[in-house]
Amino acid sequence: DAGITQSPRYKITETGRQVTLMCHQTWSHSYMFWYRQDLGHGLRLIYYSAAADITDKGEVPDGYVVSRSKTENFPLTLESATRSQTSVYFCASKGRWNTEAFFGQGTRLTVV
Amino acid sequence: QQQVKQSPQSLIVQKGGISIINCAYENTAFDYFPWYQQFPGKGPALLIAIRPDVSEKKEGRFTISFNKSAKQFSLHIMDSQPGDSATYFCAASRVSFRAYKYIFGTGTRLKVLA
Repeated sequence: DAGITQSPRYKITETGRQVTLMCHQTWSHSYMFWYRQDLGHGLRLIYYSAAADITDKGEVPDGYVVSRSKTENFPLTLESATRSQTSVYFCASKGRWNTEAFFGQGTRLTVV
Repeated sequence: QQQVKQSPQSLIVQKGGISIINCAYENTAFDYFPWYQQFPGKGPALLIAIRPDVSEKKEGRFTISFNKSAKQFSLHIMDSQPGDSATYFCAASRVSFRAYKYIFGTGTRLKVLA
């Protein structure tokens, strides 16, 4: 299916575990973004990427790692999950020459 | 410098009324200002956007008003409908290769009463 998909949709993990959230887009968009959504904080940018092998830190990058070896994939890894990382995570993508960003359905992550 | 401040946090409007959400930004390098709409359980979706070279943009019942000197912009929803009940986010961005990132406000939860 065309679009941007995130997996899993729901994840429960234990404190200290490593967990990877997947994001895949079929448009060959240059830009990809990871946001976390928390009540009272809105959408906060974790990392973004302007192209394959180019990534930059956003507002709240601590505790997260990203990679972008292929244009269509942008996985987000929590190296050692903490309870403060319980959140809803959204991936988004945007073409190089247009302005609209398209969001995935989100991954609800609970760290216990 | 990177913040976008949004108010109010929540808003209740009667059907047919006008909903107004306000945002303010600090970084004058921002040159693209979108509004996103999010329904429960869904990702945000672009609603309407404006560039700083115009003061107003209208699409159907939705209007963005932009005040460059005050560094403020707002979303007006005319004739608000129950189907408009959602969370609205303003954002700001800068058209630059490695700086092209969206900074979002904290969101406004709108409820339109039938």
